[in-house]
Amino acid sequence: GQQVMQIPQYQHVQEGEDFTTYCNSSTTLSNIQWYKQRPGGHPVFLIQLVKSGEVKKQKRLTFQFGEAKKNSSLHITATQTTDVGTYFCAGPYFSGSARQLTFGSGTQLTVLP
Amino acid sequence: EADIYQTPRYLVIGTGKKITLECSQTMGHDKMYWYQQDPGMELHLIHYSYGVNSTEKGDLSSESTVSRIRTEHFPLTLESARPSHTSQYLCASSERRSGTINEQFFGPGTRLTVL
Repeated sequence: GQQVMQIPQYQHVQEGEDFTTYCNSSTTLSNIQWYKQRPGGHPVFLIQLVKSGEVKKQKRLTFQFGEAKKNSSLHITATQTTDVGTYFCAGPYFSGSARQLTFGSGTQLTVLP
Repeated sequence: EADIYQTPRYLVIGTGKKITLECSQTMGHDKMYWYQQDPGMELHLIHYSYGVNSTEKGDLSSESTVSRIRTEHFPLTLESARPSHTSQYLCASSERRSGTINEQFFGPGTRLTVL
């Protein structure tokens, strides 16, 4: 079953508005990664969070890792049309005998000019 | 510049044909992966490899097979394509460092349509 839940599935915002996507895991994660996929493109790594309660910023993007390391969020301040795309969180889960990266269902962001 | 390549980018093929999707990376990464992704949907891991002569099936059952004869090359083969195989196939690679899951670098993908 789904191990990484992401909400919302879709988000439409007016340019300049803020945007947040949330990621929840059924189990504690050793780390969490975030990727962005532009329409028609491929996922591109944004950041990795490792520590409990960690907060990292990349310009207008703020990433948080929950204290219990079971949830994470990505917040974009003052969205721009270049922010359009699908944002995925991904966490390591055991697949058979090995840990693999499992991706959330993604949040598709549309920015209206 | 180190990169990851996939060919073809687009493929339209008839049912029953055998196809091979190519993936190559120049980063010297030990780990390579194949994901299947329907438009706007999540990525599903179908195969992975930790090095030469090492291949494993992922969480999503797939009729495809893979091989890893060279570090830089990780082709995926479908012996008999069916319309249900229509999807985007993404190849990725990452460094192998013990005790951690590293960031993955994705190729541009192959959009496969089986008629």
